[in-house]
Amino acid sequence: EPEVTQTPSHQVTQMGQEVILRCVPISNHLYFYWYRQILGQKVEFLVSFYNNEISEKSEIFDDQFSVERPDGSNFTLKIRSTKLEDSAMYFCASGNSLGELFFGEGSRLTVL
Amino acid sequence: AQKVTQAQTEISVVEKEDVTLDCVYETRDTTYYLFWYKQPPSGELVFLIRRNSFDEQNEISGRYSWNFQKSTSSFNFTITASQVVDSAVYFCALSEAIGNDMRFGAGTRLTVKP
Repeated sequence: EPEVTQTPSHQVTQMGQEVILRCVPISNHLYFYWYRQILGQKVEFLVSFYNNEISEKSEIFDDQFSVERPDGSNFTLKIRSTKLEDSAMYFCASGNSLGELFFGEGSRLTVL
Repeated sequence: AQKVTQAQTEISVVEKEDVTLDCVYETRDTTYYLFWYKQPPSGELVFLIRRNSFDEQNEISGRYSWNFQKSTSSFNFTITASQVVDSAVYFCALSEAIGNDMRFGAGTRLTVKP
């Protein structure tokens, strides 16, 4: 069964460093998303991506964040200068034409 | 903007009991999509069901069933004869359009004791 894969599963970084989280969505899906979940809290929307551009973003997704689909398969989330409060589990999701979202296993980011 | 409320923070049941997880939503759109996801202790988010706003038929899938009532803006989830493996956090979510922000509720942590 096709699945969304994310790397790395866990990344530890120093405050102020740049981080890139990678995702390989399900191949025939057209919609791509990043969500985050701070430990024990709710799942929060960051950004959605369709037709090679951002279709919607939340107030969390400020200038420090960017997304890219560089090669037609990978979908990346970059955080330019990490802050302590960026520590969270980041989930990538890909969506089909029915609006069903399938999530990867997540990338845990720890900012020290 | 859409809003999803899961009033039950935690529920604990004994194996084989039935349990219903409540979900109430708010939206101004007439077309929208409702979802349930399961997050087991391993942390991944597992898709369970999607429902269109124009399809109020209830659905049953094995021990799982969903009751969608537009009149009360609710989309409740029932697990029949619960099992220990059902222990997880369950999230209800709403999207007002395909490709848009899917807004999650705060989740309900279900613990099924043997």
